Amino acid sequence: NAGVTQTPKFQVLKTGQSMTLQCAQDMNHNSMYWYRQDPGMGLRLIYYSASEGTTDKGEVPNGYNVSRLNKREFSLRLESAAPSQTSVYFCASRGIGVYEQYFGPGTRLTVT
Amino acid sequence: KQEVTQIPAALSVPEGENLVLNCSFTDSAIYNLQWFRQDPGKGLTSLLLIQSSQREQTSGRLNASLDKSSGRSTLYIAASQPGDSATYLCAVRGVLTFGGGTRLMVKP
Repeated sequence: NAGVTQTPKFQVLKTGQSMTLQCAQDMNHNSMYWYRQDPGMGLRLIYYSASEGTTDKGEVPNGYNVSRLNKREFSLRLESAAPSQTSVYFCASRGIGVYEQYFGPGTRLTVT
Repeated sequence: KQEVTQIPAALSVPEGENLVLNCSFTDSAIYNLQWFRQDPGKGLTSLLLIQSSQREQTSGRLNASLDKSSGRSTLYIAASQPGDSATYLCAVRGVLTFGGGTRLMVKP
């Protein structure tokens, strides 16, 4: 099992450009999450999906959209990137009745 | 709104020392508390999860305790090794709310 995978690993964008961060898990988990981590801070939840077909806002959803494409995949889209969105983005998943979340390796995004 | 705080933000200890990392949270209505390890440039690895009904969990040299009434958790690392150098994060559920982390350096 690959666990949780994320692409790309690194990305540099110019202000106003758009891009989609991809996340996939092969553990048959129902719930998936997107977090951002800024220097010196813990992770903050952007959006989550409790099950296929549902998405909900987290603590910092502004400037982002998500799509739960199927049970395996959960993408995060930046429609018009801003320097404030420079961060490391982590995807995570969790199974039903399982309390632990499993994290991907992260995508390091820089917006200039 | 749940707030999670970790003190200290950074810690440097000599190899072999026993140490305690602290995590505090403002809302005691939590489902569970999870401790993670993060190596530089890497994702998070789950170390221990304590259910709200439990008081502690142990895994090898690690022991995590939970005191909901005081809003505190501690992660105890016995006989620290250079390989333990990493950032340690605690997070509480509901939806996971993270502390800022403690960056640990164990010197050989």
